[in-house]
Amino acid sequence: KQEVTQIPAALSVPEGENLVLNCSFTDSAIYNLQWFRQDPGKGLTSLLLIQSSQREQTSGRLNASLDKSSGRSTLYIAASQPGDSATYLCAVPETSGSRLTFGEGTQLTVNP
Amino acid sequence: KAGVTQTPRYLIKTRGQQVTLSCSPISGHRSVSWYQQTPGQGLQFLFEYFSETQRNKGNFPGRFSGRQFSNSRSEMNVSTLELGDSALYLCASSRDRSSVRYTQYFGPGTRLTVL
Repeated sequence: KQEVTQIPAALSVPEGENLVLNCSFTDSAIYNLQWFRQDPGKGLTSLLLIQSSQREQTSGRLNASLDKSSGRSTLYIAASQPGDSATYLCAVPETSGSRLTFGEGTQLTVNP
Repeated sequence: KAGVTQTPRYLIKTRGQQVTLSCSPISGHRSVSWYQQTPGQGLQFLFEYFSETQRNKGNFPGRFSGRQFSNSRSEMNVSTLELGDSALYLCASSRDRSSVRYTQYFGPGTRLTVL
């Protein structure tokens, strides 16, 4: 059974800092990995989807990497802003369908 | 293109009642999945529908059920509500039943409170 873990559970940084969020998964036979953002009490916003054949995916100040062999993905946020404050979740799909297995999330606070 | 919509956004019910939640996927998307999010358990998969057929089901009791209509809109129903059913219920849509190639897009959720 796939298990997804995110470290750290919470992170507080000053504005402008570059930061890295970590995601690990136990079964390396994944097709892709998706990063989401969730604001308090809201739904999930898709940030990046990395296919298993890709090593990196970039969107603006966000860069996600994937290392299937080691079962790890990282989300790099450059020049963090207070508006980046949210919970960040990673998720992988089961091989046979659409069910996503989520990590517990990293709660990020960017202080002005 | 409009995103995934969920109605109602907030619900307050009492134990023993039943509730129906609705989800309208992005136009052209035929796969709809439902998730329950609680502080203790995180995000847990409920079920997935594709072309009006349930394709996958999570580990939830039979009180939780769902269906999908020909226009891809989906509803989920929870009967005999329990206090532990209080959660944020999220719906996600995708172009295809398999998320191996396509991103899943989530709605804003329905916040259910059971008193």
